[in-house]
Amino acid sequence: GESVGLHLPTLSVQEGDNSIINCAYSNSASDYFIWYKQESGKGPQFIIDIRSNMDKRQGQRVTVLLNKTVKHLSLQIAATQPGDSAVYFCAENDSGGGADGLTFGKGTHLIIQP
Amino acid sequence: ETGVTQSPTHLIKTRGQQVTLRCSSQSGHNTVSWYQQALGQGPQFIFQYYREEENGRGNFPPRFSGLQFPNYSSELNVNALELDDSALYLCASSLQGALEKLFFGSGTQLSVL
Repeated sequence: GESVGLHLPTLSVQEGDNSIINCAYSNSASDYFIWYKQESGKGPQFIIDIRSNMDKRQGQRVTVLLNKTVKHLSLQIAATQPGDSAVYFCAENDSGGGADGLTFGKGTHLIIQP
Repeated sequence: ETGVTQSPTHLIKTRGQQVTLRCSSQSGHNTVSWYQQALGQGPQFIFQYYREEENGRGNFPPRFSGLQFPNYSSELNVNALELDDSALYLCASSLQGALEKLFFGSGTQLSVL
């Protein structure tokens, strides 16, 4: 079935380095994508989103890139900090799919080493 | 912290029992969605409620049901609990159609023994 997945379950980076988290999706009808951060004991927290008519969007220290040709999404975090340690999920939505729910990937655990 | 609150935070049930989980949405939000998150997995969409009606559903059996009240709070009911129902149940509120403003609660951790 259609699904959103991630390439790596765990990513370890040094504090201050940049990190890149990747995501592949398979639903070609998806037109809206979101990155979430989930810390232990909390619900997912919105980081940044992008619509399918864009290929790049920047926020504070974060950038999302969308490559529709290969159905690939990435989240770049600049100058990582200890507070960036969390599980990161990509999620997608097909606005023509009826149910207004998000399809999440399995997540990447980002570990920031001092 | 979001304004979405869920209760209880933890719950233990036995197989075959029924459970009700509760969610208070963020002020001003009229739509509530429920997600199931198994250990080590991403959340899975169960259903969404808007104007007290279910208006979207994921791939979950009918023993998963819900309610939304006039104050936009919501309940998730699961009948005939199975061991695989053990998971973190997340509630999220938003304005209808505003997925970019979807706020999640901290969830209810359900264990089925």
